[in-house]
Amino acid sequence: QLQLQESGPGLVKPSETLSLTCTVSGDSISSGDHYWGWIRQPPGKGLEWIGSVYYNGNTYNNPSLKSRVTISVDTSKNQFSLEMSSVTAADTAVYYCARQSVIPRADWFDPWGQGTLVTVSS
Amino acid sequence: EIVMTQSPVTLSVSPGERAALSCRASQSVGTSLAWYQQKHGQAPRLLIYGASTRATGIPARFSGSGSGTEFTLTISSLQSEDFAVYYCQQYNNWPPLTFGGGTKVEIK
Repeated sequence: QLQLQESGPGLVKPSETLSLTCTVSGDSISSGDHYWGWIRQPPGKGLEWIGSVYYNGNTYNNPSLKSRVTISVDTSKNQFSLEMSSVTAADTAVYYCARQSVIPRADWFDPWGQGTLVTVSS
Repeated sequence: EIVMTQSPVTLSVSPGERAALSCRASQSVGTSLAWYQQKHGQAPRLLIYGASTRATGIPARFSGSGSGTEFTLTISSLQSEDFAVYYCQQYNNWPPLTFGGGTKVEIK
């Protein structure tokens, strides 16, 4: 059964870098059958796509987050990671990782990890 | 960027009644639209993709319709477990992938 699990610090100081990892079990990132994405949800608000990565390291990011986001993949560990620099309180959110189809016009997310709350505060 | 607008923000429905949720795109997305259900404290779950295809294990009371810029998620007879927040997402033209703001379905 495919499962995704986010991990990382729950508290990050303003101006520092947020780092999260998603561990995939039940599927192989290196199969090349899917993209692997990050989505976030501020408390009480809606969903925002952050970016997605392919097994070869190709990435697509949300332009709204400009150059603050780096998404990478480690196929040897079957993991992919998110780094977000220069965080502010506005980056406080539940961060989800999810699988995304690589088939054109099939870019929905299924399944999702359980999510991890990251709070930006000094 | 394609902006997705959902209405209403909150929908009050009695158990057993029908609910119709709307999602509008700022430009045509064809049928490249998905619907998700999110219960309190849980991750979103895929319900519908391709505007009208139910995901694996999703009950038949959930149905999706529409194309272009206007879409509807219909729940034919609301069960207690269906009270949740529902989001639409377009994937026709990205980046960025974009979600609607959500519709909360609450007990009337």
